[in-house]
Amino acid sequence: SQQGEEDPQALSIQEGENATMNCSYKTSINNLQWYRQNSGRGLVHLILIRSNEREKHSGRLRVTLDTSKKSSSLLITASRAADTASYFCFSSSNTGNQFYFGTGTSLTVIP
Amino acid sequence: DAGITQSPRHKVTETGTPVTLRCHQTENHRYMYWYRQDPGHGLRLIHYSYGVKDTDKGEVSDGYSVSRSKTEDFLLTLESATSSQTSVYFCAISELGTAGNTIYFGEGSWLTVV
Repeated sequence: SQQGEEDPQALSIQEGENATMNCSYKTSINNLQWYRQNSGRGLVHLILIRSNEREKHSGRLRVTLDTSKKSSSLLITASRAADTASYFCFSSSNTGNQFYFGTGTSLTVIP
Repeated sequence: DAGITQSPRHKVTETGTPVTLRCHQTENHRYMYWYRQDPGHGLRLIHYSYGVKDTDKGEVSDGYSVSRSKTEDFLLTLESATSSQTSVYFCAISELGTAGNTIYFGEGSWLTVV
C-alpha cells in the first residue's frame, strides 16, 4: 500500500506557536502531498513535494522530504485558530491510480 | 474550487433498502473515486473509475457497486444498506491519476442507516 501514516494522531497548541506533523510511507515515491480537512468538509490540497526536492514552502507552510527515511514533515508557522483541522499526507508512486490516505493528524489551535 | 457536486448531501434510510449516491463533476477529469470516512479509520477507498464504464475496486468494496456511464457522473450504490454502512461518503476526482496529480474532493454525503 502507498498509504501515508501521519504522526501524531492529535496535536493541540496555542495560537502563534508552530505545529509540526509527520508522515511516513512505505515505498519509493514520485511525490508526496499534504491535504487538509476542516470538520464536515472534504479534503483540500495544500502542497506537493517531488521526490527530488528536500524542502518546499507555501506561505506559512513548510514541507520537508527525506526519501532515505521515507518520511515527510509539515510545519505550520505562527498558527491561527483557523488552522484547526485534520491533516493528511499522500505518497504517490510512479504506478497505480489509487489514492490512499492515512488517519490524519488532528490539529487544534487554541485562541 | 473544483466543480464536484454530491447528492444527496444527507440521507437517512432503513436497513435493507437500496441507496444511490451521485457524484457529478464539471472538470472533465478522467478519474473518479468514492471514499468513506469513519472515526479511527480515516478515508478508505471504496471504488474508483478510470474512464467511462471502467471501474475497479478499492480496499472496502464489499456491499457497494458503482457505475459510470458518462464522464461527468459516478454513481455509488448500496444494494441493501446495512448499519455498518452508516458513514460519510466523499467523491473525488483527478485528472491523471496519482502520479504528480492532486485529487479534488466533494463536500461529502452523510448517510445514516437505521
